[in-house]
Amino acid sequence: NAGVTQTPKFQVLKTGQSMTLQCAQDMNHEYMSWYRQDPGMGLRLIHYSVGAGITDQGEVPNGYNVSRSTTEDFPLRLLSAAPSQTSVYFCASSYGRNNSPLHFGNGTRLTVT
Amino acid sequence: AQTVTQSQPEMSVQEAETVTLSCTYDTSESDYYLFWYKQPPSRQMILVIRQEAYKQQNATENRFSVNFQKAAKSFSLKISDSQLGDAAMYFCAYRSSIGDSNSGYALNFGKGTSLLVTP
Repeated sequence: NAGVTQTPKFQVLKTGQSMTLQCAQDMNHEYMSWYRQDPGMGLRLIHYSVGAGITDQGEVPNGYNVSRSTTEDFPLRLLSAAPSQTSVYFCASSYGRNNSPLHFGNGTRLTVT
Repeated sequence: AQTVTQSQPEMSVQEAETVTLSCTYDTSESDYYLFWYKQPPSRQMILVIRQEAYKQQNATENRFSVNFQKAAKSFSLKISDSQLGDAAMYFCAYRSSIGDSNSGYALNFGKGTSLLVTP
């Protein structure tokens, strides 16, 4: 069972570079989301999607873009990387029901120098 | 957005003993969902237990149980017979019963409690 697949696991970028973090799920989940995890901050919501073609901003969206062209995929784009975006990024998905738990990918550790 | 507070940054327990991790939350809603997630050093986020606010009975999953006090807005996690594999970061999370325009079905997380298990 693949579940939620995130790539890459690790990435180092230089300030100003752009990149895309990939996320795919094979559970036919309507809801997908991106979080970032920083020491002492817990997980904070970046962007989310409640279905193909629908995306919205979370708590910390600045510097990130998303799109949802299919149910399965929800990539996160860093437009111009900054050191403040050094973090661990998690993609998570669930059914569109409030009692449905989030299923997480294994995370991407991103370092921006 | 609802606030989730975990007041214990670190906790320690001896193997085979019981430990309780605290979580409080702030909400004006009457219906919502609460979760505990475990994050071991592998970084993976693992669901431990969940509780629906409309259910008075406390959820239990093997050695893990919760003490849900709705009036006090408290949702503590009890780990019985602690094992070395329980060492991890534990996150408490809140989800609204209604998808609002700001977060959809997002979880609001506390900042986590790091649990150390000693032999």
